[in-house]
Amino acid sequence: DADVTQTPRNRITKTGKRIMLECSQTKGHDRMYWYRQDPGLGLRLIYYSFDVKDINKGEISDGYSVSRQAQAKFSLSLESAIPNQTALYFCATSDYRGGSSDTQYFGPGTRLTVL
Amino acid sequence: SQQGEEDPQALSIQEGENATMNCSYKTSINNLQWYRQNSGRGLVHLILIRSNEREKHSGRLRVTLDTSKKSSSLLITASRAADTASYFCATDYSRARLTFGEGTQLTVNP
Repeated sequence: DADVTQTPRNRITKTGKRIMLECSQTKGHDRMYWYRQDPGLGLRLIYYSFDVKDINKGEISDGYSVSRQAQAKFSLSLESAIPNQTALYFCATSDYRGGSSDTQYFGPGTRLTVL
Repeated sequence: SQQGEEDPQALSIQEGENATMNCSYKTSINNLQWYRQNSGRGLVHLILIRSNEREKHSGRLRVTLDTSKKSSSLLITASRAADTASYFCATDYSRARLTFGEGTQLTVNP
């Protein structure tokens, strides 16, 4: 089974709807991240969490919220979806050690289309 | 923006040739990582090089880091069609967060 899973894998929704994307991990990592990727672009950080009680905004958090329900679960919500939130969304985890980042492990992604 | 920038944006080569991708960044970093992404899929970590390292190898991959020029290169030797993917550099400069570049799309023709 995959270590980092995301549900749903694909979602089409309408403007104004509330959407939740879920991420679960079995790697036992404390750190979890949500990114979005737009066509031809790199990943941009939406939110990140260093543990259940430590949640931080990334570079593009407006219009998004998150919930860290447990060490293994990190959900991303779009309270009122808009078309420019159409993108590929990735969850990632890392097992941070010492003074610098370690490898991040990515889920398979959720393709979200907002009409 | 602290984002790394990859060069070239796209690279097309024949199987067996070497592929070189470059990454430049703007501020001091703790480490630099390279990731690979097959079309529409999640990123997969390839290699990490720390700021006090100058070169690192992993199989057919060779990464160099020049902190004085704030640049890194990824060399894939003897490329294969299966190496076709997008390659991203990611820099760790602040509180263990990674900043990704826009990627190099590599196409290896059989």
